[in-house]
Amino acid sequence: DAGVTQSPTHLIKTRGQQVTLRCSPKSGHDTVSWYQQALGQGPQFIFQYYEEEERQRGNFPDRFSGHQFPNYSSELNVNALLLGDSALYLCASSLGDSWPMNTEAFFGQGTRLTVV
Amino acid sequence: GENVEQHPSTLSVQEGDSAVIKCTYSDSASNYFPWYKQELGKRPQLIIDIRSNVGEKKDQRIAVTLNKTAKHFSLHITETQPEDSAVYFCAAGNTPLVFGKGTRLSVIA
Repeated sequence: DAGVTQSPTHLIKTRGQQVTLRCSPKSGHDTVSWYQQALGQGPQFIFQYYEEEERQRGNFPDRFSGHQFPNYSSELNVNALLLGDSALYLCASSLGDSWPMNTEAFFGQGTRLTVV
Repeated sequence: GENVEQHPSTLSVQEGDSAVIKCTYSDSASNYFPWYKQELGKRPQLIIDIRSNVGEKKDQRIAVTLNKTAKHFSLHITETQPEDSAVYFCAAGNTPLVFGKGTRLSVIA
């Protein structure tokens, strides 16, 4: 039973470029939440996808967008990359859109994005 | 929105001693308070959580207490071991969770 998988694990991009990060949720989970974790900080909520729709969004600009596919996997897209976008991007999968109230969420290993 | 403050930012204890990490939150509607442990280069892992209808919860050497009136909650680790060394995050909220900035715990053998 696979856990949450994210790809790629590491990525280096240049300012102004665009990047796509991918997340496959734990088997049986249908909700994916994305977090940005800057160095030395706690994770910050970007957005959550459930039933292929963005259900909630944190305080991130429109340069951050996402998508959820029918198989529940998800993508995070960031356009016009800035140096400040360098961070560890984590996705967490859960069952139903009521997390964290009813089910535990499982985090992936994350994608380390470096913008130069 | 919710705001979570976590203290201390770093904590060093001798092996076998206890460690306490404290968090405060701002939104009285928050009713779920998990704690995550993150080792270097690894994913955050849930170690214990507490919901608003409970004041204390214990799991072996780890316990969490919640004071809803004062809006603070704490993580207690007893009989610390070197493998407890990691960064610990508290979080509060419903959906989404809001995380504290973390506490780097070092257990010195």
